[in-house]
Amino acid sequence: ILNVEQSPQSLHVQEGDSTNFTCSFPSSNFYALHWYRWETAKSPEALFVMTLNGDEKKKGRISATLNTKEGYSYLYIKGSQPEDSATYLCALPSNDYKLSFGAGTTVTVRA
Amino acid sequence: EAQVTQNPRYLITVTGKKLTVTCSQNMNHEYMSWYRQDPGLGLRQIYYSMNVEVTDKGDVPEGYKVSRKEKRNFPLILESPSPNQTSLYFCASSTANTEAFFGQGTRLTVV
Repeated sequence: ILNVEQSPQSLHVQEGDSTNFTCSFPSSNFYALHWYRWETAKSPEALFVMTLNGDEKKKGRISATLNTKEGYSYLYIKGSQPEDSATYLCALPSNDYKLSFGAGTTVTVRA
Repeated sequence: EAQVTQNPRYLITVTGKKLTVTCSQNMNHEYMSWYRQDPGLGLRQIYYSMNVEVTDKGDVPEGYKVSRKEKRNFPLILESPSPNQTSLYFCASSTANTEAFFGQGTRLTVV
């Protein structure tokens, strides 16, 4: 089991504001990091798979960075919209591809 | 359409009555997993399969069984369900180094 920590546990954002949150993980034996978005009453859906130190990925207003040496990844949401309200999960595979998930950061965007 | 299909979506059962939750994927993925999601605990892996006839325990396997007789199917079996198995269950599939694709979820209540 990999110890994957996400902070904060929840945050409230005003529509139009930008925000970011963190996924921390052990920096040894790193293979990849996944970010998922999980909307209420739906299934988690993948946002990014990141593998290289210094990776930056972007999808619309959402982007992510990765620092494997210090063991963290940031997810950024620029100009938050109500449809960005969701729980964002990060997960790391071990060498046999078992995924360990963090507890998630729940984002609520207020109109 | 690429998908992971779980059935049933909702199930209420009584303590001790054996049940099976089915999971099927049409993407020819090698890896399949079962997770349960409980408030405040995030996604916890129950069982994991790397390929046909290859399964391994996850973080919380007690009270569950699985089988992988065919690549596309990975059923979750509760031989004698108990109230502490009331939870939201997700099946997921993937290939090595790619994101996981999740089923729609099964909300199980054991009374």
